[in-house]
Amino acid sequence: KNQVEQSPQSLIILEGKNCTLQCNYTVSPFSNLRWYKQDTGRGPVSLTIMTFSENTKSNGRYTATLDADTKQSSLHITASQLSDSASYICVVRISGGYNKLIFGAGTRLAVHP
Amino acid sequence: NAGVMQNPRHLVRRRGQEARLRCSPMKGHSHVYWYRQLPEEGLKFMVYLQKENIIDESGMPKERFSAEFPKEGPSILRIQQVVRGDSAAYFCASSEQGDQPQHFGDGTRLSIL
Repeated sequence: KNQVEQSPQSLIILEGKNCTLQCNYTVSPFSNLRWYKQDTGRGPVSLTIMTFSENTKSNGRYTATLDADTKQSSLHITASQLSDSASYICVVRISGGYNKLIFGAGTRLAVHP
Repeated sequence: NAGVMQNPRHLVRRRGQEARLRCSPMKGHSHVYWYRQLPEEGLKFMVYLQKENIIDESGMPKERFSAEFPKEGPSILRIQQVVRGDSAAYFCASSEQGDQPQHFGDGTRLSIL
């Protein structure tokens, strides 16, 4: 069964601190993996996209890693800001055919001053 | 360039009524996807449409739910005889081609009294 699991379910950190969010997937065949940020009451917005051959990809203070062998990905947020408070969703695209996506349940991050 | 527009943003219906959710894709996009998000859960695929055609409706309940994407006008997700369990956030995404990245709207939050 195609599944994406994320941990932790929720996380509270202080402003300025770093954090790492985890994603494990059992999706086959694999095409790519994206991390999305979803603010409360808004739709998901893509942060990074990684294909099978990519290990690391950065977007400002966000760095995503991918280990295709163990089917794990992480999203590291550096020097967190209050505006980073959101849900972070790991999404895996199934290869072949059209754009079929499998979503994780997300990690809810709260950054406190 | 307007993004994916969904309306209404909030919709309240009584049990047994009909709910109509609208989605206008980004300019130039002819592929539309509908997702449902229950509280504390990830987005779940419902249906994929390309102008006037349903390509994949494997995630949509066979009863009471229907979707269309006419040649002119927005895509419509229609829920007949709503029940309490239909309360959720419904997101629409669009892409230029079937294998291109999806861009999400901000969703319609449906509440059933």
